[in-house]
Amino acid sequence: AQKVTQAQTEISVVEKEDVTLDCVYETRDTTYYLFWYKQPPSGELVFLIRRNSFDEQNEISGRYSWNFQKSTSSFNFTITASQVVDSAVYFCALTSTGGGNKLTFGTGTQLKVEL
Amino acid sequence: DAGVIQSPRHEVTEMGQEVTLRCKPISGHNSLFWYRQTMMRGLELLIYFNNNVPIDDSGMPEDRFSAKMPNASFSTLKIQPSEPRDSAVYFCASSAQDRGPTEAFFGQGTRLTVV
Repeated sequence: AQKVTQAQTEISVVEKEDVTLDCVYETRDTTYYLFWYKQPPSGELVFLIRRNSFDEQNEISGRYSWNFQKSTSSFNFTITASQVVDSAVYFCALTSTGGGNKLTFGTGTQLKVEL
Repeated sequence: DAGVIQSPRHEVTEMGQEVTLRCKPISGHNSLFWYRQTMMRGLELLIYFNNNVPIDDSGMPEDRFSAKMPNASFSTLKIQPSEPRDSAVYFCASSAQDRGPTEAFFGQGTRLTVV
């Protein structure tokens, strides 16, 4: 069985603060893929990043960075110098070939960035 | 590419009526997913297709729900008869599952209200 836990239901920060969104996953498969999606107030789900289980390198894309640690089964997402436009619900998701390529989502973290 | 296209964007129907949601995946993608999003249950996978064949429909709530994919460019999700508890946002997503899972791209969703 696959499971994704996002323990932070809601986070509020002031603009320009850094914020980290936590994601912990469970899977019995050795080959799996992790994802982050953003859901802004308009409602669509926007793909942010994919990471496979064999690549533990951290990734940085502009103000976004991701920290993948297999030892703790975590795939955390950090936004540096947050902006109001970052306000959204962020979902972590997991899939694996053993899981039938189904995307299993966490419950999401609502991020509110205020002026 | 126009992305995943869903119609209608909004649907309001009376309990007992039949509802059909439509989805056009991204051209060239061979996997299609139907998700439902509610406040209580978050994002749930209802069914997914690979090369137009239903692979896993274990998430379909009950026999009132059915999904078809007659060809690579079209899928429907039908609810008959509809009930108020079916009210949710229904997302369609597609991906190119080649050598392994890839990111799924989501449509704008259909907001269904059953009164």
